[in-house]
Amino acid sequence: GAVVSQHPSWVICKSGTSVKIECRSLDFQATTMFWYRQFPKQSLMLMATSNEGSKATYEQGVEKDKFLINHASLTLSTLTVTSAHPEDSSFYICSARGFFEQFFGPGTRLTVL
Amino acid sequence: QQQVKQSPQSLIVQKGGISIINCAYENTAFDYFPWYQQFPGKGPALLIAIRPDVSEKKEGRFTISFNKSAKQFSLHIMDSQPGDSATYFCAADSGGGADGLTFGKGTHLIIQP
Repeated sequence: GAVVSQHPSWVICKSGTSVKIECRSLDFQATTMFWYRQFPKQSLMLMATSNEGSKATYEQGVEKDKFLINHASLTLSTLTVTSAHPEDSSFYICSARGFFEQFFGPGTRLTVL
Repeated sequence: QQQVKQSPQSLIVQKGGISIINCAYENTAFDYFPWYQQFPGKGPALLIAIRPDVSEKKEGRFTISFNKSAKQFSLHIMDSQPGDSATYFCAADSGGGADGLTFGKGTHLIIQP
């Protein structure tokens, strides 16, 4: 299947700082990428849909000013968690849409102290 | 997002047995039903997916059965192996794979040697 990478794989930051997570589709172009959030032993929850060259669409309850998404090219989307707080600690996973399927990245573990 | 109900929450199967996980949905607009396998600390990996125009799809030891009238679909893992021990998620979307996925809550599968 297609390969999607995320960087970093894990990050620890202090409360109040901002963290940027990159999502790349390595062997295909993705006009649409998605960002999900997963708490321990829970399911994935869609946070936002990112379309290349346009503003992201956020799911209800997701603060767009806190979770900034930029989809600057067909192979790169970034999620910036601004002014992170301990409750933002979670596993963030991106996916990129291929022709029919979504392919997921390996995830980024964010811990906010 | 519409809900996808998944059962059981956890499942223990003997090696060589058949693992069966069930999902039900309400939104008749859903037209793409994938199953994902996730190991701890990793992103979900697409196992197999089905669209509503077929009632069954088989890939190796994995089979999806789909009942459109009952709005249910299930994953069967034949000849289950210890390496199949993971969390399995069913999902659905209404954009033919173009929309963000709605996930079930997951099934923690343990295959006992």
